[in-house]
This record gives sequence, C-alpha cells and structure tokens, in this order.
Amino acid sequence: DIQMTQSPSALSASVGDRVTITCRASRSIDRWLAWYQQKSGKGPKLLIYEASTLETGVPPRFSGSGSEREFSLTITSLQPEDSATYYCQQYNSYSANFGQGTKLEIK
Amino acid sequence: QMQLVQSGSELKKPGASVKLSCKASGYNFTTYAIHWVRQAPGQGLEWMGWINTNTGDPTFAQGFTGRIAFSLDTSVNTSYLLISGLKSEDTAVYYCVRGPELWGRGTLVTVSS
Repeated sequence: DIQMTQSPSALSASVGDRVTITCRASRSIDRWLAWYQQKSGKGPKLLIYEASTLETGVPPRFSGSGSEREFSLTITSLQPEDSATYYCQQYNSYSANFGQGTKLEIK
Repeated sequence: QMQLVQSGSELKKPGASVKLSCKASGYNFTTYAIHWVRQAPGQGLEWMGWINTNTGDPTFAQGFTGRIAFSLDTSVNTSYLLISGLKSEDTAVYYCVRGPELWGRGTLVTVSS
C-alpha cells in the first residue's frame, strides 16, 4: 500500500491568515490526490481532486498543488468557518489511503 | 441526482456480526468501484478497501483482512459491508464512497455489551 504522511497534525491561525498543509506519498501517485474538509460531527467534504482541481462550490481561497510525491493544500484569507480537520487521500493505485489529518484551529 | 444511501445505525454485542448496506442511485452502478472508510470516535479516516462493482472482486487494506467482507447485489445497485466477530474497537462510523466525490452519510456501528 502507498502510505500518506500529512503535516502538521495541528495548527492554529488567525482570520485572514494563509496556511499550508502538506502531504507526502511513499511513492509516486502522479496527481491522484484529493483533499477533504471535515467539521465536527459531519462527514468529509471534498475540496480538491486531481491535486489541484477545485470541487464545484468550494471557495477559491482553497487551492491545491503538487505532483508525484509532494502535495500541498493552501487556504488563503482564513475564515472562521474554515475551522475543521483536513485530510489528504491518494487514489492512484488499488489502495486509497488517507493522511493522518490536520486539525486547523482559528484563533 | 447521484447519491449513496446507507443503512441506519446499529447497536451490536461483542462477537456478533453486522451487515451494512450502501444503495447507489443516479449513475451506472457497475461503472465505479465502491470503497469503504472507517472513522472511530475522535480518530481519522481509515480506508478499508474496495469492491469492483463489475466483477465483485474485493481488495482489502492492510489491517482489514480477516473479519470483513464486501458484497454486491447489482439488481438493486447495492454494496454491503459485513463485519464479523465484532469488538469494541469496531465502534465507528462507516462510510461508503464512490471516490473521491460521492460519499454516503455514514452508518454508526456501536459495539457494546
């Protein structure tokens, strides 16, 4: 299985800040990576797929980049409603493992 | 519209089995694989494996072999997750996914004596 290492595990930022979460794959996954947002008590919501394609309806302050093994999710101009846990997931091969998650707190 | 509708919450005793369902609608069921994802209370998302809805062939994630099985009933566009020999650590929400964009709402399984 391809393993996904996500960092940081938690971060705290203020409204208006820019934050970046990274995800590293144990081997190349081309661009087959998704990012999800999960708020407390809710199911995951797809933000980005194929590394950088924004899902319909997701605000453009969310963006994704990367390829092969290194990926990042950037949120610009943080809003209070961005407080959530964020997960990456690879879906390149016959496995589809997730990163460990990043809990984002808005100060 | 496309959706995955999952069965309702379950309360089971240790050692019992549970069979969860995931009914697809709004798309050609046998064109896309169905994945299953587990989320224990306060924990992250764990990919359990997937089933090829065309052939019925399952693939299990490391750590999820032995007590789980995936099955299909293509006549009703439904995928199933069977968990046998339930343990307290199986208490979790189980999601079916037509990844990455289509998720069921999850089924809560509680294992308690």
